[in-house]
Amino acid sequence: QSVLTQPPSVSAAPGQKVTISCSGSSSNIGNNYVSWYQQFPGTAPQLLIYENNERPSGIPDRFSGSKSGTSATLAITGLQTGDEADYYCGTWDSSLSAWVFGGGTKLTVL
Amino acid sequence: EVQLVESGGGLVTPGGSLRLSCAASGFSFSTHSMNWVRQAPGKGLEWVSSISSGTRYIYYADSVKGRFTISRDNAKNSLYLQMNSLRAEDTAVYYCAREGYAYWGQGTLVTVSS
Repeated sequence: QSVLTQPPSVSAAPGQKVTISCSGSSSNIGNNYVSWYQQFPGTAPQLLIYENNERPSGIPDRFSGSKSGTSATLAITGLQTGDEADYYCGTWDSSLSAWVFGGGTKLTVL
Repeated sequence: EVQLVESGGGLVTPGGSLRLSCAASGFSFSTHSMNWVRQAPGKGLEWVSSISSGTRYIYYADSVKGRFTISRDNAKNSLYLQMNSLRAEDTAVYYCAREGYAYWGQGTLVTVSS
């Protein structure tokens, strides 16, 4: 059972928008920055979003992040088949003194 | 170019030990905290341990506390994970990642099985 809760799967059609939620508590999301990662099978995760809503260089602006209270959301617009991957949220948990990841969400582009 | 290259994975019997290494290049290793993250087959990401740049701050996941030891050698630009008393549930790909998780290695597979 992950400290951060994500839906196991989401799906949408090409060109559409999808959102992935990440729910936590005041000891993690509520008081710390949230990051998002994309992972394709057999490869290392890639940072998509850091500090709640910042994109590293090279990440398209189709990917955006937001945070409200103890929840965070990753939004992907203009879905492409190449976006099919697993997505994870992550943040520091001040009570646990540990980095925590969500359980991951598998995105299917129908 | 930032590069992180893990090594040291392999097959080990339950109760055994293994030492993972992560060779860093392309950045000032001594000024960045470092992390180990693992992923069991077919499962999600699990943070394992973190170490600050000067080793003052070290953190472990409860699942490995008392069995794993993280360390670093800033002169050799290297990060280590000493894993003792290994269990079947430690089977995973182990990644090293730089502070901020913007850079990850390719991972090294650890299999604990008799």
